[in-house]
Amino acid sequence: KAGVTQTPRYLIKTRGQQVTLSCSPISGHRSVSWYQQTPGQGLQFLFEYFSETQRNKGNFPGRFSGRQFSNSRSEMNVSTLELGDSALYLCASSVTGGTSNTEAFFGQGTRLTVV
Amino acid sequence: QKEVEQNSGPLSVPEGAIASLNCTYSDRGSQSFFWYRQYSGKSPELIMSIYSNGDKEDGRFTAQLNKASQYVSLLIRDSQPSDSATYLCAVMGGFGNEKLTFGTGTRLTIIP
Repeated sequence: KAGVTQTPRYLIKTRGQQVTLSCSPISGHRSVSWYQQTPGQGLQFLFEYFSETQRNKGNFPGRFSGRQFSNSRSEMNVSTLELGDSALYLCASSVTGGTSNTEAFFGQGTRLTVV
Repeated sequence: QKEVEQNSGPLSVPEGAIASLNCTYSDRGSQSFFWYRQYSGKSPELIMSIYSNGDKEDGRFTAQLNKASQYVSLLIRDSQPSDSATYLCAVMGGFGNEKLTFGTGTRLTIIP
């Protein structure tokens, strides 16, 4: 069974640009969550999608957005990149993300560097 | 107060000994509790999940949950050098709060 796949693995962008990251969940998983990991802040929740609807959102500015497609694949977009957006972006998928079947499995991550 | 707190590391344990990792959380409505292992430069790997009070064992790993004390722990028996990693405690709320809140992690080193 294939795991969570994130593309690309590495990105270098310039301040002010925008970037789109992609995540393909494990087959059968309908919940996709995004997290940002930095050495200073650790792992922080960005947002969670279930059946193409954003169910939960973390405390990030509106420059961070996402969406989920009917096949459960998800994309995350960051506009007007800032140096502080440099981080490892992780996607996790779970069956439902509800009160049962909540185990979340992470992809390899996308390492974003903003210069 | 941080939402999820883990015992400060780094933690060094001799090979073959028991490693004990602790975590407390502040949201009493939390329903699901997880331990992830993260090797340097890699993504977090789920090693244990626990949903009800008590112990849950899986091989050399035992997770313990006490909701009254808002406390989760992970014991690693017969520690191996390959267990050297950062261990992350994660807590998920109930319906309508399906997000993982992570602790800052405890770096564990197993000394051969």
